[in-house]
Amino acid sequence: DGGITQSPKYLFRKEGQNVTLSCEQNLNHDAMYWYRQDPGQGLRLIYYSQIVNDFQKGDIAEGYSVSREKKESFPLTVTSAQKNPTAFYLCASSIRAGESPLHFGNGTRLTVT
Amino acid sequence: GQQLNQSPQSMFIQEGEDVSMNCTSSSIFNTWLWYKQDPGEGPVLLIALYKAGELTSNGRLTAQFGITRKDSFLNISASIPSDVGIYFCAGGYNNNDMRFGAGTRLTVKP
Repeated sequence: DGGITQSPKYLFRKEGQNVTLSCEQNLNHDAMYWYRQDPGQGLRLIYYSQIVNDFQKGDIAEGYSVSREKKESFPLTVTSAQKNPTAFYLCASSIRAGESPLHFGNGTRLTVT
Repeated sequence: GQQLNQSPQSMFIQEGEDVSMNCTSSSIFNTWLWYKQDPGEGPVLLIALYKAGELTSNGRLTAQFGITRKDSFLNISASIPSDVGIYFCAGGYNNNDMRFGAGTRLTVKP
């Protein structure tokens, strides 16, 4: 079955540590995205990538970093510079960046204490 | 960035009732998407709309792309218990600038 796999489902870290969230897709989609979801708010875009070896900042990129070395993979690193990292993180992909709907993974809940 | 205005925030309905929710934007969009999200899971695409005035159905779900291109609604007919969840809209010009509503939490009482 084709889909988007995010791992792990739950992640706990101490403040000051960097942590990397995994996102893999086997849909052969060109574009991939990272969103942050907080209670009572709409999803906010962190980073996106339209093609391998290219990525762009979204609305809330500060404190995050990404890489896109392979078409299938778009890992997100939450750095110690992110002031409020505890959130539900969603990875998405689409056939291309234009008129094609976003398909989401099942998310990673990150808790930083 | 601007987020969308989605209403209502929550709904409590009886099984069998119809449901309607909508999203509005101050900007014109060329895409409206509707998703359902269960707790702790990722959103699942329900309906995608790409033309002003477009009316699209997916089973008991119907969504429309407003003529002004600044709004969209989602209707659910004859609700059932498994319709419980959070529904949210997304609108934009391309996937790099999609804006999202905060969601409508639907509770269906048997």
